[in-house]
Amino acid sequence: NAGVTQTPKFQVLKTGQSMTLQCAQDMNHEYMSWYRQDPGMGLRLIHYSVGAGITDQGEVPNGYNVSRSTTEDFPLRLLSAAPSQTSVYFCASRTGTSNTEAFFGQGTRLTVV
Amino acid sequence: QKEVEQDPGPLSVPEGAIVSLNCTYSNSAFQYFMWYRQYSRKGPELLMYTYSSGNKEDGRFTAQVDKSSKYISLFIRDSQPSDSATYLCATNDYKLSFGAGTTVTVRA
Repeated sequence: NAGVTQTPKFQVLKTGQSMTLQCAQDMNHEYMSWYRQDPGMGLRLIHYSVGAGITDQGEVPNGYNVSRSTTEDFPLRLLSAAPSQTSVYFCASRTGTSNTEAFFGQGTRLTVV
Repeated sequence: QKEVEQDPGPLSVPEGAIVSLNCTYSNSAFQYFMWYRQYSRKGPELLMYTYSSGNKEDGRFTAQVDKSSKYISLFIRDSQPSDSATYLCATNDYKLSFGAGTTVTVRA
């Protein structure tokens, strides 16, 4: 049982490049979400999904796309990377939408130059 | 306005001190309140959660919710250097909203 696995752990992109951050969970959780963490800003919700085929925008969705074709995977796509997207990205999953614990991946440190 | 507001600190205390962390939230409909702990270069992990108002104690940690003032608190008694981390409050209706996180350093 690996929990939530994010790849890659580190990435450097040039402005304008695109890439996909991978997130996979093996706990059969319905709810998955992507956050970015910047100094002094806490965790800000980018996109979330309440099940396969269902996604919605969070607090800071611009410049990012998601899809959820399976319960296990929830990739985050950067369409055209910008320096403002330099951040640490966390994927999280949980069973329900109220009092259940969210499990986080180890994070992806992304630098856009 | 963010749904959860938290003073980002940082906070530095001597070993054995009581650490007091606070958050405010905006939506009176929130029922569940959580505290996550995040060590450096790691993902957050759930520390405690409470439902509605009142106190919840777990060892040296006490979580408190005052719904009348929309105030969430976490107290750490007899703080240890191993408590040095970032503490994030969160509320949970259908999406998980976090505060900015407070970085705590406990000096030996």
